[in-house]
Amino acid sequence: GIQVEQSPPDLILQEGANSTLRCNFSDSVNNLQWFHQNPWGQLINLFYIPSGTKQNGRLSATTVATERYSLLYISSSQTTDSGVYFCAVEPGNTGNQFYFGTGTSLTVIP
Amino acid sequence: KAGVTQTPRYLIKTRGQQVTLSCSPISGHRSVSWYQQTPGQGLQFLFEYFSETQRNKGNFPGRFSGRQFSNSRSEMNVSTLELGDSALYLCASSLVDSYEQYFGPGTRLTVT
Repeated sequence: GIQVEQSPPDLILQEGANSTLRCNFSDSVNNLQWFHQNPWGQLINLFYIPSGTKQNGRLSATTVATERYSLLYISSSQTTDSGVYFCAVEPGNTGNQFYFGTGTSLTVIP
Repeated sequence: KAGVTQTPRYLIKTRGQQVTLSCSPISGHRSVSWYQQTPGQGLQFLFEYFSETQRNKGNFPGRFSGRQFSNSRSEMNVSTLELGDSALYLCASSLVDSYEQYFGPGTRLTVT
């Protein structure tokens, strides 16, 4: 199956700092989503972004499908941004089967 | 619109027992997928149902099974539980193929 790599695996930031999370994937995809997993385990949708750029408040994401990577930008980080961020891809021939990266664990300290 | 709901939220079972988890998708969504999350293996795809048909199955033993009803609600069943089945089980629903997936809060299963 498709390989999904996320970097960095861990990130510690001071409140107010900016960060970039990266997701590389090994094959073409029809669907790419970024999620934030809250402390109770629920995956919160951040972006549905198979290609292009989107912004939502302090968060933005860019997917360059031809080069097989996506970036998630977090600006002016807050303690509530802490948690694990996952990138998930669907190759398009698997009927909604997602492949997840191993996640980036973000800790924002006050 | 109500989100994806999963019941129960927490479950403790004994090795050898069986368990059934339930997932109700967002109204109008016809695709339901199940995932297992463990610290060692991360998030892994179990299976996906669309219009009551299993379209894909991940690399899990036959003890893991599922079904989908005509109202798109889905259940997954794990028979002969093993300690390694302890995990967070997540359900996701989607309107159509290759479209945005929405996850439920999960069921945390502990096998003792």
